[in-house]
Order: sequence, then C-alpha cells, then structure tokens
Amino acid sequence: EIVLTQSPATLSLSPGERATLSCRASQSVSSYLAWYQQKPGQAPRLLIYDASNRATGIPARFSGSGSGTDFTLTISSLEPEDFAVYYCQQRSNWGALAFGGGTKVEI
Amino acid sequence: EVQLVESGGGLVQPGGSLRLSCAASGFNFNSYAMSWVRQAPGKGLEWVSGISDRGGRTYSADSVKGRFTISRDNSKNTLYLQMSSLRVEDTAIYYCAKDGAGIAAPYYFDYWGQGTLVTVSS
Repeated sequence: EIVLTQSPATLSLSPGERATLSCRASQSVSSYLAWYQQKPGQAPRLLIYDASNRATGIPARFSGSGSGTDFTLTISSLEPEDFAVYYCQQRSNWGALAFGGGTKVEI
Repeated sequence: EVQLVESGGGLVQPGGSLRLSCAASGFNFNSYAMSWVRQAPGKGLEWVSGISDRGGRTYSADSVKGRFTISRDNSKNTLYLQMSSLRVEDTAIYYCAKDGAGIAAPYYFDYWGQGTLVTVSS
C-alpha cells in the first residue's frame, strides 16, 4: 500500500504570496500523481494530472512538479479564491488509488 | 456538459445495506473508468472503489473489500455502489467521479458529482 503524506497540514499566507505544497509518497508512483482543490461544501476540482499537466480551465498560477516520491504544487501568487484545501492523489500499478491527508491554505 | 448525479443515500443502521446510484450524462459513459470517493464529516478524501470502462475489472480499498461492490450498467449510463455490513465509520458523503485519463483502469478524476450523504447510526 502506497501512502501519501502532505505537508504542511496548514499554510497561512496572504493574497499575492507564493504557496508551496508538498506531497511525498512512501514508494515511487512515477508521475502518476494528481492534485485537487476543495472548497467548503463543494466537490473537489482537478487542478493537475500526471504530476505537471494543468487540467482544462486551470489558471497558469497553478503548477505541479516532481516524480518518483516527491511532488510539489505551487501557486505563484495567491488569489482570494485560492484559499481552500488541496489534496494529492496517486495511482498504484495494481489499480488501487489513494489520497493524501490534505493541506489547508488559509489567510 | 458532463453531469454526474448521485442518489440513494440516507440513514441506515449498523449492519444494514444501501445501494447508491450515479446517473451520468454529457460524455461517452462506456469509454471511461469510474470511481466512488467518500469524505467523512470534517475529514479528507478516501477512494472507495473503481471500475473499468466496460465493467470487467473492479478495484476496492481494503477498508471496504468484501462489503462494498461497484458495478455499472453502460446501457443506462449508471454507476452503482452496493454497500452491505455497514459500519458507523462508513458515514460520509459519497461522490461519483469520472476518470480523466481515458484508460481502462481508474487514475484521476476530472468530473465529480455533488455527492450523497450516507449516515450509519442506530
């Protein structure tokens, strides 16, 4: 079973600042990693897939990087609507999927 | 426009059963893997089960193996989750999610439903 660990649990920043979120896998997941944003009372929204590809309609201020076991989601300049919880998610070779515990980005 | 509409949630006693449905529209349903993802109140996301595009292969989290069964009816564009031997810890919002990769097995989710709440309590 592959475990994803996200850090920090909470990130306190101001609009305009840069946010750097980390996701570490207990073993290599190659580039099979996605990132999601979730706001209160809403379903998650796909941001990044294959570690670094932005999903349709996602602003360029969101970027993903990494491969193997260490991944990063970067928000270059926080907008007010970016304050939310962010999750990483991986796919294993045997079909099981898993999410990380989440990082809350707060003002 | 892709739409995923879940139904079937509600209150059930521990040990009971429930079947969730997800009606899909706006895309070629039989070309994509589908999954169920749940979220307990105030907690993070947990992948529950996934199914290949044609329904021939299913995948489940260890926490629900032997208790939950995922299935699909491509003629009705509908995804199902049969839940049995329910436990208090199964209480959560259950989301139906469409796979974005276009491969047979679940990978990542580009569309989500709004979820249906399942409460397991006596």
